[in-house]
Amino acid sequence: DAGITQSPRHKVTETGTPVTLRCHQTENHRYMYWYRQDPGHGLRLIHYSYGVKDTDKGEVSDGYSVSRSKTEDFLLTLESATSSQTSVYFCAIRDPGQRSYGYTFGSGTRLTVV
Amino acid sequence: DQQVKQNSPSLSVQEGRISILNCDYTNSMFDYFLWYKKYPAEGPTFLISISSIKDKNEDGRFTVFLNKSAKHLSLHIVPSQPGDSAVYFCAASGVNSGYALNFGKGTSLLVTP
Repeated sequence: DAGITQSPRHKVTETGTPVTLRCHQTENHRYMYWYRQDPGHGLRLIHYSYGVKDTDKGEVSDGYSVSRSKTEDFLLTLESATSSQTSVYFCAIRDPGQRSYGYTFGSGTRLTVV
Repeated sequence: DQQVKQNSPSLSVQEGRISILNCDYTNSMFDYFLWYKKYPAEGPTFLISISSIKDKNEDGRFTVFLNKSAKHLSLHIVPSQPGDSAVYFCAASGVNSGYALNFGKGTSLLVTP
């Protein structure tokens, strides 16, 4: 989507390896979020950030860490990937002054852990 | 625990008829409710929202109704079109967790010609 890009779009990795997903925005929004989407679960919040170096956990944060050293980049790291982390990962950004339309989402990263 | 629930995984409607998608929530602190639409291999896109101070919001063919006492909202699509076929997610947010959105599991809508 305009203003937000995720990389890579697809990745296959082996169990036990570290993986980092990147979210990049050009909107200068303060809030950024990582969600995962799984069949039967909808979208679940992993971590979010409310500013540079300010992050907090969501409902499914175990096994994940995040970093935000610049406003425009929010990184999601799987320290040691497991098969249960096979999922589609979405990054989102939010303009804090506009609650009426919630987030803008990226196109997603499909991660397969084998 | 799921705080936003969409109890119908799928819905099939004929073109031109009304589609009604339902959503229930449990957290009385939610004060903003949104609907997102998602096509395969794409990110969700915003469709329509409603604040807790309102009971109805309309945007073209899409209307969202909010019943706070029942903790229930619904999305009406009239008339339904084949291009509306997608997964629809209900979401809610409150002051907690950085205004993070809590999503339902989604309802897959199929509009048949």
